[in-house]
Amino acid sequence: QVQLLQSGAEVKKPGASLKVSCKASGDSLNTYAVHWVRQAPGQGLEWMGWIKANSNDANFTKKFQDRVSITRDTSASLVYLEVSRLTSEDTAVYYCATAVVAVGSGAADFWGQGTLVIVSS
Amino acid sequence: SSKLTQPPSVSVSPGQTARITCSGDALPRKYAYWYQQKSGQAPLLVIYEDTRRPSGINERFSGSSSGTMATLIITEAQVDDEADYYCYSTDINGDQIFGRGTKLTVL
Repeated sequence: QVQLLQSGAEVKKPGASLKVSCKASGDSLNTYAVHWVRQAPGQGLEWMGWIKANSNDANFTKKFQDRVSITRDTSASLVYLEVSRLTSEDTAVYYCATAVVAVGSGAADFWGQGTLVIVSS
Repeated sequence: SSKLTQPPSVSVSPGQTARITCSGDALPRKYAYWYQQKSGQAPLLVIYEDTRRPSGINERFSGSSSGTMATLIITEAQVDDEADYYCYSTDINGDQIFGRGTKLTVL
């Protein structure tokens, strides 16, 4: 089974950019569609976007379309989330997760441990 | 509307059946997925494609869907089932969306 490991916590200034990585062990992340989900303190889950399997084709929810990108480094089996023009409202835990995939006779998805991002002056 | 609506909270006594609903305009055409999230942990998939249960998930967890409403059903609820539960699906515009979550209390 694949395990996802995300980069460590970050503190950013307003207006700065963020780059979070998501690396797989146990399998190549290249063959998985990968979603990014965030969760502000005390709030619910918010889907941000995804990148398709074996592709650099990414889609985002309209809220993030102009300042978020999701890319792959296929040689390193990594997926990156980049967010620009950060504000305090971007303070959240950011998760990468694979799409639900067939596993044995059933299905599963796999989540990273989350990356805490604090945006503060 | 491009959202999934869940009740903010559901409370049951141990051993009772908990039902958490999720309504959305696209649910007649799109699958619902359900996640359990305990404090400080990543979400855990408990139901996929409306009614299917991943390996390793207790059979007390089940799902149903009819029209614009999907339902997560937890039979013989236990204190350990206390968590936030989120439904997840695709909206009418093709975006993935989460409901706002339901806090399940078992006491």
